[in-house]
Amino acid sequence: ILNVEQSPQSLHVQEGDSTNFTCSFPSSNFYALHWYRWETAKSPEALFVMTLNGDEKKKGRISATLNTKEGYSYLYIKGSQPEDSATYLCAFMGAGGTSYGKLTFGQGTILTVHP
Amino acid sequence: SAVISQKPSRDICQRGTSLTIQCQVDSQVTMMFWYRQQPGQSLTLIATANQGSEATYESGFVIDKFPISRPNLTFSTLTVSNMSPEDSSIYLCSVVLGPGQGGNQPQHFGDGTRLSIL
Repeated sequence: ILNVEQSPQSLHVQEGDSTNFTCSFPSSNFYALHWYRWETAKSPEALFVMTLNGDEKKKGRISATLNTKEGYSYLYIKGSQPEDSATYLCAFMGAGGTSYGKLTFGQGTILTVHP
Repeated sequence: SAVISQKPSRDICQRGTSLTIQCQVDSQVTMMFWYRQQPGQSLTLIATANQGSEATYESGFVIDKFPISRPNLTFSTLTVSNMSPEDSSIYLCSVVLGPGQGGNQPQHFGDGTRLSIL
């Protein structure tokens, strides 16, 4: 059973604060790490797909880093806004065989940004 | 991107009954998946819906409980059979757009079906 852990489980910040969350995953048999944002009553929305150790990706105020050797990824949000309030999910994909194409999700970090 | 329509969006069902959830995509896709999220749990893959052949189920999920159809490259259904309160979950379909098996491509999700079993 693959273990994908996210921390913290929930986070409350004030508008304008910067914040970050962690996703840890198996460091062996790695193929890709996905980040999604899931707002209430909507569908999960893809943020990043990361495949290379040392990868850094950025989309507006949101960025992510990847360390496949030690099995973790960080998601950063700079200058949080109330519309950033959502559950942030990471998902691990293993390499080869029956693992390919299948995502194992963490439990998510629930972010609430207060005006 | 693609438009992924999932129906119904929510339902309340009696235990022992079955419900079929539909997922329609506005373009042909190779890979289509079904997930569920039980309360307080992570999003969990139920099965990969294969066009023209039987679905591939993950450990802990069986065809008798979650039969899946995939008659073409734009449509799939998931049936939750003989429902019990433990089946109360959000059920989501997802697809990978473009060629390949989706290793380095994001998945695109439907809006989900919120199911409650009484």
